[in-house]
Amino acid sequence: DTAVSQTPKYLVTQMGNDKSIKCEQNLGHDTMYWYKQDSKKFLKIMFSYNNKELIINETVPNRFSPKSPDKAHLNLHINSLELGDSAVYFCASSQGRENTEAFFGQGTRLTVV
Amino acid sequence: SQKIEQNSEALNIQEGKTATLTCNYTNYSPAYLQWYRQDPGRGPVFLLLIRENEKEKRKERLKVTFDTTLKQSLFHITASQPADSATYLCALKGGSARQLTFGSGTQLTVLP
Repeated sequence: DTAVSQTPKYLVTQMGNDKSIKCEQNLGHDTMYWYKQDSKKFLKIMFSYNNKELIINETVPNRFSPKSPDKAHLNLHINSLELGDSAVYFCASSQGRENTEAFFGQGTRLTVV
Repeated sequence: SQKIEQNSEALNIQEGKTATLTCNYTNYSPAYLQWYRQDPGRGPVFLLLIRENEKEKRKERLKVTFDTTLKQSLFHITASQPADSATYLCALKGGSARQLTFGSGTQLTVLP
């Protein structure tokens, strides 16, 4: 069973469109994250969601909105896509305590044309 | 500002040698530091965690050190193999922050 799964794996879309990436974890973790990895491979935190508390990174445009229907899911919705949004987006989860590792999904490669 | 820097973007070594990767941080007081491995097209995979009160941690051919005075962690792979070729990332949380922040990574290539 895949611990953290995200869909789709690849997403190609036109500028201005709205798209969503789904993430589910079956580990029973209470904290989930979205990361963006750019072309230089730098992995940058976008959001973390611990139970019902959302922590937003200040540098993330408000076109990006995470939605968590329950503890096992954290979806990422992006409005009005721009060329600069092209990147690989990773979902991850952890138990939320300080000394625990994060488990990552396989990533979603988003290409905006 | 807070920074996590991994000194080498890319590191090539010969098979059988020890690879040493460096992670330096500023303006953090982390309770622990983690190392991850990332292969092309995959998400990062956790390797090791070391706490602030631990000087050294080992797992098979991997060894991590953590010097909170120097604000530095070293990651060693002994008897390296071509299969160890990947990007290695250090990550840490500081204090009450819930977000795991990553360094820029070092791409290691082990040459046969």
